[in-house]
Amino acid sequence: AQSVSQHNHHVILSEAASLELGCNYSYGGTVNLFWYVQYPGQHLQLLLKYFSGDPLVKGIKGFEAEFIKSKFSFNLRKPSVQWSDTAEYFCAVNTRGNTPLVFGKGTRLSVIA
Amino acid sequence: DAGVIQSPRHEVTEMGQEVTLRCKPISGHNSLFWYRQTMMRGLELLIYFNNNVPIDDSGMPEDRFSAKMPNASFSTLKIQPSEPRDSAVYFCASRDRALYEQYFGPGTRLTVT
Repeated sequence: AQSVSQHNHHVILSEAASLELGCNYSYGGTVNLFWYVQYPGQHLQLLLKYFSGDPLVKGIKGFEAEFIKSKFSFNLRKPSVQWSDTAEYFCAVNTRGNTPLVFGKGTRLSVIA
Repeated sequence: DAGVIQSPRHEVTEMGQEVTLRCKPISGHNSLFWYRQTMMRGLELLIYFNNNVPIDDSGMPEDRFSAKMPNASFSTLKIQPSEPRDSAVYFCASRDRALYEQYFGPGTRLTVT
């Protein structure tokens, strides 16, 4: 069965600091990878996704993620965070076909002034 | 499109009462997913449907939980009888057959006292 690990439970950063959130998955086959964001009190929204091709994918709001197949990783990055990036971030994976997304436990990001 | 619609947004009920959560997926989407989100367990998949047919309900906690999808535009998740440990945010998500990302509704925050 697939599983997703997000090693950071809570990250606190100052505004303008760089961000990297770790995500590792366990599945040996072809996967689709996603990052979702959940702002306080809101539903999950898609931040970016990787299906194939260039392993460096760019998403909304200046976020990007890099797929490293050899490390089974899909880390999320942003060069300079803003207070408005305060949210919970979820990494998710599924395999080809109609399988549901499997989510990591999430990483809470708090950006302070 | 209005997105995935869930009702009610908030539900407070007493232990032992029946609770029914409702979901309207995005028009044209053929897969529907019910998730539960708690602080302790994160996002858990409860059940999902493809073309209105339940495919995997192994995530449903126990017999008190049931889900139906009578047609392509409506699904319900029922808890009978409800217990305090069922308190959580319940999300519905839908997906188009040609895509892999899931679109989430705003969630129903359930509190069982």
